[in-house]
Amino acid sequence: AQTVTQSQPEMSVQEAETVTLSCTYDTSESDYYLFWYKQPPSRQMILVIRQEAYKQQNATENRFSVNFQKAAKSFSLKISDSQLGDAAMYFCAYRGYGGSQGNLIFGKGTKLSVKP
Amino acid sequence: GAGVSQSPSNKVTEKGKDVELRCDPISGHTALYWYRQSLGQGLEFLIYFQGNSAPDKSGLPSDRFSAERTGGSVSTLTIQRTQQEDSAVYLCASSLVRVGDQPQHFGDGTRLSIL
Repeated sequence: AQTVTQSQPEMSVQEAETVTLSCTYDTSESDYYLFWYKQPPSRQMILVIRQEAYKQQNATENRFSVNFQKAAKSFSLKISDSQLGDAAMYFCAYRGYGGSQGNLIFGKGTKLSVKP
Repeated sequence: GAGVSQSPSNKVTEKGKDVELRCDPISGHTALYWYRQSLGQGLEFLIYFQGNSAPDKSGLPSDRFSAERTGGSVSTLTIQRTQQEDSAVYLCASSLVRVGDQPQHFGDGTRLSIL
C-alpha cells in the first residue's frame, strides 16, 4: 500500500523569506501523481501544485515550486517570498495513475506559520 | 460559479444517534469522494463514486458507515449509532474523472461532534 510521510509537524518562516516543506512517499508504481494542498482555517482544501511522475521537470506555480526526486521518492514544496496569507496546513498527497486508485492518499500535514 | 457544497457546516449530536451529511458536487463532475479528517491528522479516504459504477467502499471504517449518490449528483454519508471516535471533519470532493491529473475540488467540510 502507498504511504505519504510529512516529517515536519510545524514550520515557521519570516515574511518574504523562503521555506521548504518535506514530503516522502512509498509506492511500487512507476506512474502516479503528487499534489500539495493548502488548508487554511476555513477548512477548504486548496490545490497548490501538482506533479506527474513521468515528467522530470519540476512543477512551478508562481511562488510555489517543487523538488521532485523520483528515485528518492521525495516531493518537497518550496514557497518563495512568503506572505502572511500562506499561513495554513499543507498536505502532501499521492494518487495512482490508473486502475482503481482514484482516491488521494494524504500525509498528516505541516502547519506553516508566517511571522511578520 | 458553484463549488462543492456540504451541509450542515457543523453538527453536534449525542452518542448513539444517526447522522446524515450531504455533499453537492460541482455540476458535471462524475467522480465524488468522501474523506474524514480527525484532529491533528491528515485526510483518510472513506468512499468514492464514479458515474454509475459500483462505489469503492474500501475506506469505510465500519458497517455503521454508508453512503449513496442519487442520480449521479448529490451524495449522502450516513453514520449510524454514532460513537465519540466518529468526531471529525468530513470532507467531500469531486473531480471530472476518477483518475488522471484532474484535481479534486473540496468542499468546506462538515464538523461532526459526538457528545
